[in-house]
Amino acid sequence: KAGVTQTPRYLIKTRGQQVTLSCSPISGHRSVSWYQQTPGQGLQFLFEYFSETQRNKGNFPGRFSGRQFSNSRSEMNVSTLELGDSALYLCASSDPTGGEGYGYTFGSGTRLTVV
Amino acid sequence: AQSVTQLGSHVSVSEGALVLLRCNYSSSVPPYLFWYVQYPNQGLQLLLKYTSAATLVKGINGFEAEFKKSETSFHLTKPSAHMSDAAEYFCAVSGKAAGNKLTFGGGTRVLVKP
Repeated sequence: KAGVTQTPRYLIKTRGQQVTLSCSPISGHRSVSWYQQTPGQGLQFLFEYFSETQRNKGNFPGRFSGRQFSNSRSEMNVSTLELGDSALYLCASSDPTGGEGYGYTFGSGTRLTVV
Repeated sequence: AQSVTQLGSHVSVSEGALVLLRCNYSSSVPPYLFWYVQYPNQGLQLLLKYTSAATLVKGINGFEAEFKKSETSFHLTKPSAHMSDAAEYFCAVSGKAAGNKLTFGGGTRVLVKP
């Protein structure tokens, strides 16, 4: 079974630009969550999508947005980039129909550097 | 609200020695608890999870963790450290009340000395 695929692996953007990151979940998984990892704030939850609907959202400004397509692939977008948005962005795939306490499988992440 | 505290941001162990990583959680409802490992420039790999079955949970790579409700702890252990265990380890909690999102501790970086 293929794992969670995130593209691209690395990105360098300039302040003020926008960026789109992509995540393809494990086949059959309908839930995709996004996390931001920084040295200062650690791992923080951004949002979760299930069957194309956002069903949970973390405490991030509206510049951070996402969506999920009918094939469960997800994208997240960050507009008007700030230096503080430099981080490793991790996507996690899960199968909520598998019962409570279902695990999450993470991708390798996209390393975003804002200059 | 749920939260996780990992005691010690860095741990140094000798090869062959016991690895003990501490995790305490706070949750208003019975939690689901996880340990993840992260190698440099990689994502998170699930080591093990507790979902209210056995309180002693065995995971991959020889790791295990014990859920102790009275102490609100979920410490991770491995009897004998290997050089390949050098990585960063994250404890996480989730639960229905928080929409099943993962809340992570700050992480513990493990250094293994030969």
